[in-house]
Amino acid sequence: AQSVTQLGSHVSVSEGALVLLRCNYSSSVPPYLFWYVQYPNQGLQLLLKYTTGATLVKGINGFEAEFKKSETSFHLTKPSAHMSDAAEYFCAVSVWNRDDKIIFGKGTRLHILP
Amino acid sequence: EAGVTQSPTHLIKTRGQQATLRCSPISGHTSVYWYQQALGLGLQFLLWYDEGEERNRGNFPPRFSGRQFPNYSSELNVNALELEDSALYLCASSFDSAGELFFGEGSRLTVL
Repeated sequence: AQSVTQLGSHVSVSEGALVLLRCNYSSSVPPYLFWYVQYPNQGLQLLLKYTTGATLVKGINGFEAEFKKSETSFHLTKPSAHMSDAAEYFCAVSVWNRDDKIIFGKGTRLHILP
Repeated sequence: EAGVTQSPTHLIKTRGQQATLRCSPISGHTSVYWYQQALGLGLQFLLWYDEGEERNRGNFPPRFSGRQFPNYSSELNVNALELEDSALYLCASSFDSAGELFFGEGSRLTVL
């Protein structure tokens, strides 16, 4: 069975600074990896996903993530934080198996300091 | 194209009562997932329905149940409500089991 660990339930960065949200996964087979964002009082929306191919994945709003198999990581980055990036971010993992489910991490709340 | 819709938006119940939450997936999506988002606990997987059948369920007691209808809409039932059932219940749909999930805005259940 797969699992996801997000390091840091809260992360604070200054506006304009680098955003780095950490995600490590565990999976016995090649995983599909996702980052979702949740703004207050809303559902989740997909930021980006890795399935196969290029390990550096670009998503919406200037975010990107790199799949590193050797480190079992899928960290989310953005070069320059904006106030509108303040939200909760969830890393998720799934595998191509009709009987398996998509597992989410516990989330990281990103705070942007002016 | 309409997104995933959930109803009701808010629901207030008392301990011991039953709650029913409803979800309509995006047209063409056959899979529906239910997650519980309680404060500080992230998203806890509840149930997964596909093509009308329950494919998997999370580590929740049997008083959490649901079903998927022929039109792929779904409902989640929670019986014998307890205070700790208070949470945001999120429904998501997908057209395959490993692809992107499309989420509704959730139903917030408050148990008093």
